[in-house]
Amino acid sequence: EVQLLESGGGLVQPGGSLRLSCVGSGSSFSDYAMTWVRQAPGKGLEWVSTISGSGMTTQYAESVRGRFTVSRDKSKNTLYMEMNSLRAADTAVYYCAKDRWWERVTPRATAGFDSWGQGNLVIVSS
Amino acid sequence: QSALTQPRSVSGSPGQSVTISCIGTRSDLGSYYYVSWYQQRPGKAPKLIIFDVNQRPSGVPDRFSGSKSGYTASLTISGLQADDQADYYCASLAGSYIYVFGTGTEVTVL
Repeated sequence: EVQLLESGGGLVQPGGSLRLSCVGSGSSFSDYAMTWVRQAPGKGLEWVSTISGSGMTTQYAESVRGRFTVSRDKSKNTLYMEMNSLRAADTAVYYCAKDRWWERVTPRATAGFDSWGQGNLVIVSS
Repeated sequence: QSALTQPRSVSGSPGQSVTISCIGTRSDLGSYYYVSWYQQRPGKAPKLIIFDVNQRPSGVPDRFSGSKSGYTASLTISGLQADDQADYYCASLAGSYIYVFGTGTEVTVL
């Protein structure tokens, strides 16, 4: 099972920037799509962004498109989320999550997030 | 994309069964057979309990079962136990590398 360890959260002022990281264990980390999910205080889960195993395909929720950028570094088994123009509404615990679909088998035949990071709190406030 | 619709809360006594519905649209539940369910305890990361509508990961009790019909997916917890008290979320694939979550349901064991 892949273990995911997140870092990079904290307090930032409105309009500021922050970068989240998520390090995955295991040699096959790059064979799986990775997703960022966030949860505002007292609220439900919200899909934020997904990046394919190769890094060639990225998708974003409407609420963050144009402000957030997801990327990954295969050599470091690390997933990133660069967050710019942060707003109070972006305040949340951010989770990285691994897709259970092994991308070497196509087309997709399964979906869901079978490993999660511990969560990283981002607070946007002046 | 809009969140999938779940009841805010359900409750049951120990040993009873409870069912949580998850209502989507043609773009998500109506187009994909990739519904997953997550259990989340306070202060913890979500845990996958059902994937691909009705498949259980290793270690998840068979008291948890899933189904789907049309634009509605369901999670049933049979033989309810105190330990099942948590928040539950459905999720669906809604495009290539696009997901949508449900609004979440709080399960209370009476």
